[in-house]
Amino acid sequence: DAKTTQPNSMESNEEEPVHLPCNHSTISGTDYIHWYRQLPSQGPEYVIHGLTSNVNNRMASLAIAEDRKSSTLILHRATLRDAAVYYCILRDWAMDSSYKLIFGSGTRLLVRP
Amino acid sequence: DAGVIQSPRHEVTEMGQEVTLRCKPISGHNSLFWYRQTMMRGLELLIYFNNNVPIDDSGMPEDRFSAKMPNASFSTLKIQPSEPRDSAVYFCASSSPPGRGNEQFFGPGTRLTVL
Repeated sequence: DAKTTQPNSMESNEEEPVHLPCNHSTISGTDYIHWYRQLPSQGPEYVIHGLTSNVNNRMASLAIAEDRKSSTLILHRATLRDAAVYYCILRDWAMDSSYKLIFGSGTRLLVRP
Repeated sequence: DAGVIQSPRHEVTEMGQEVTLRCKPISGHNSLFWYRQTMMRGLELLIYFNNNVPIDDSGMPEDRFSAKMPNASFSTLKIQPSEPRDSAVYFCASSSPPGRGNEQFFGPGTRLTVL
C-alpha cells in the first residue's frame, strides 16, 4: 500500500488560511489523492480528492505538485468547526475496480479563536 | 437518505461473550467497509465487500472476527469470543460504484467496551 507522511499537528488562528501538507513520494500513476477529516466523536468525512490537477470545492482546495509526490490541502478561512484530524490517503485499487483507503495517523488541526 | 446506519451505538459486554455489530449502507452503494479505531492503532480497515462479495479481509485481526454481507442492504461484524483488547469504535462505511462518486460515507460508529 502506498504511504503518506503528514505532520502530527498544526495550529491556526480562526479566519486565517491553513495549508496542510502531505508527502507521498511512492505514489503511482493511477493513485488518486484523497483527503478526509474526522471531527471529535464522529466518523471520518470526505473533504476532497484529485489526480493531477488542482481541485476546488466548497470545503477546501487541493494543490498537487507537478511530480505528484506531495500535495497540500488548503482551508481558505479556518473556523473553530474545522478543528479535526485531517487524513491524506492514496486510493488503492483492486482488480475488480473497487478500492480501499488506508488511513495513516493524520494531522491534528487546532484552531485558535 | 438517512446515511449509513449502525447499531447498536454503544455496546458493553463481558469477556467471552459474542458481539454482533450491524450496518445498513446507503441505498445504491455497492461497496461496504468495516473499520476499527483505537487510540493506539488509529483507524484500521478490517474488511471490505464489493457487490456483497468480500474482496479484502487482510485486516481482520484473527479468527474470532467474522463479517458477512447477505444482501446489498445489510452487513454484520461478529466477534466471538470477545476480549478486552477488542474494545474500540467500529465504523462502517459505504461507497458508490466507480464513476458515480468518489466518497466513502461513514456511519456514526459503534463504541464497544469489553470488560
